[in-house]
Amino acid sequence: DAGVIQSPRHEVTEMGQEVTLRCKPISGHNSLFWYRQTMMRGLELLIYFNNNVPIDDSGMPEDRFSAKMPNASFSTLKIQPSEPRDSAVYFCASCFVGGGWAQETQYFGPGTRLLVL
Amino acid sequence: GQQVMQIPQYQHVQEGEDFTTYCNSSTTLSNIQWYKQRPGGHPVFLIQLVKSGEVKKQKRLTFQFGEAKKNSSLHITATQTTDVGTYFCADQQGGSEKLVFGKGTKLTVNP
Repeated sequence: DAGVIQSPRHEVTEMGQEVTLRCKPISGHNSLFWYRQTMMRGLELLIYFNNNVPIDDSGMPEDRFSAKMPNASFSTLKIQPSEPRDSAVYFCASCFVGGGWAQETQYFGPGTRLLVL
Repeated sequence: GQQVMQIPQYQHVQEGEDFTTYCNSSTTLSNIQWYKQRPGGHPVFLIQLVKSGEVKKQKRLTFQFGEAKKNSSLHITATQTTDVGTYFCADQQGGSEKLVFGKGTKLTVNP
């Protein structure tokens, strides 16, 4: 299995530009998570989907951030317009949540390192 | 919302010394997962604890879940340079797929 795939791995952009991050979860997983990691705030959950439906987007910083999951094998996180404070590592993770209550392991992608100048 | 506190934030040890990181919450934890993130890498799942008082071992790593399910710990015996990284605990919020992560403990090991 290829694991969770994220692209691009690195992104450098200028303030005001649109940034789109992409994620392909592990085949068969039904839940997908977007995280942001910074030194100051640690690992923060931005949004997660279950069966392609957004369940909790309370971690999305503001309206500049949006996420979609058009099908089970693809998700995007978009920032428009980007600002320097958005500079961080963005991780996508996926897992399978079955009928039981205890959650399965989350598998993280390699992350996208975003720098907004 | 729920907060998961993790201490210490940083720990520097000599190779061969032991290391412990602690995860605490003012509310009852649902189930605890531990992850390790190597420098420049991504979090990798280590283990999950579900039951009160549970203890699990992986070679030199020992994971514990408190009797009251308000704390958890990870102990590494005789650290090696390969143990370098940041260790995170994460609690699954009851009834949801959501994980709440602690800020992590960054471990450095001096050879």
